[in-house]
Amino acid sequence: QKEVEQNSGPLSVPEGAIASLNCTYSDRGSQSFFWYRQYSGKSPELIMFIYSNGDKEDGRFTAQLNKASQYVSLLIRDSQPSDSATYLCAVRSKIIFGSGTRLSIRP
Amino acid sequence: DVKVTQSSRYLVKRTGEKVFLECVQDMDHENMFWYRQDPGLGLRLIYFSYDVKMKEKGDIPEGYSVSREKKERFSLILESASTNQTSMYLCASRSQGNDGELFFGEGSRLTVL
Repeated sequence: QKEVEQNSGPLSVPEGAIASLNCTYSDRGSQSFFWYRQYSGKSPELIMFIYSNGDKEDGRFTAQLNKASQYVSLLIRDSQPSDSATYLCAVRSKIIFGSGTRLSIRP
Repeated sequence: DVKVTQSSRYLVKRTGEKVFLECVQDMDHENMFWYRQDPGLGLRLIYFSYDVKMKEKGDIPEGYSVSREKKERFSLILESASTNQTSMYLCASRSQGNDGELFFGEGSRLTVL
């Protein structure tokens, strides 16, 4: 089993809708969880991090963590074409990444 | 602003050649990482270093070694390049502790012929 698993997509979402990206992890002891966004041809950049169970909101982005079920998700409200990118979930101190979910926002 | 600089954006090497990929960061970060990124496989950790002269294997260290003689510089070495090491290589750095943001370099695209 991979340490971090994501659906590779592509996930196609109409403009203005909510995009929901999911990630599961295997190490129950993981404490830190990160979402990175990577535009084509660019390096990843941090969007959000979360440590505690529940929701964490930052603008249009909400990270959700459920340690009992070992998943972390990212919700993007009012999706914009500029949100089209690959989203990478990462966990733990060594920063192990999932393979990424390619999100496409269709106008 | 944090800057992570990778010495070469594009390299073409031949099978069996020794390859050095250099990474320098200017924010006095303790932790530095080397990843490779391949389509469908995401970012995979090769090696990381949490201090000068300290290194730990990541998930795919085979065929690679690293060197951290100075805090700001973390080098990835391919002793004998092979075609399956054709990839995008990304260096990253982070301040001490588990919750620091990773800052990435622009990447080095290596092609091994």
